[in-house]
Amino acid sequence: DGGITQSPKYLFRKEGQNVTLSCEQNLNHDAMYWYRQDPGQGLRLIYYSQIVNDFQKGDIAEGYSVSREKKESFPLTVTSAQKNPTAFYLCASSIGSGLETQYFGPGTRLLVL
Amino acid sequence: GNSVTQMEGPVTLSEEAFLTINCTYTATGYPSLFWYVQYPGEGLQLLLKATKADDKGSNKGFEATYRKETTSFHLEKGSVQVSDSAVYFCALSGVSNFGNEKLTFGTGTRLTIIP
Repeated sequence: DGGITQSPKYLFRKEGQNVTLSCEQNLNHDAMYWYRQDPGQGLRLIYYSQIVNDFQKGDIAEGYSVSREKKESFPLTVTSAQKNPTAFYLCASSIGSGLETQYFGPGTRLLVL
Repeated sequence: GNSVTQMEGPVTLSEEAFLTINCTYTATGYPSLFWYVQYPGEGLQLLLKATKADDKGSNKGFEATYRKETTSFHLEKGSVQVSDSAVYFCALSGVSNFGNEKLTFGTGTRLTIIP
């Protein structure tokens, strides 16, 4: 079955630690996205990538970093510079640019110890 | 810039009631409009979409019509079920002020259906 997988489902971060969230898709989509979801708020775009080896900052990129070395993978690192990392993180992909339908993974919930 | 305004929740209805969740938007050009649904602890699933004015998207008994004159895309269902309990997000895709294309989401509306 084609789809998007995110791991882990829950992730705990200690103060000052960097953590990496995994996102893999086997839909052969060119574009991939990372969103952050906070309670009572909509989704906010962190980073997106329209093609391998290229990515762009979204609305709230500070304290995050990404890489896109392979078409199917778009990992997100939450760095120690992100002072309020507790949130639900959603990865998505689409065939092309933002005008196309985006398909979402199941999400990773990040909690700070 | 682009924005989406959704009806604030939470919304609680009895089973078999009629549902309307309001969504209005502000956008330049001709955006596509979407409704996504999020069940507890899960990611978002596309529920329906419409790509041009007067288009009606429909799926699983839900419908929404792209109304350009009122800049609206209200979600409706004639008879809701307990299994429809979820958070519903209205979204639009279009060109941002910076010239790139992006998806803009509303804040979500939590729907609870009681038997």
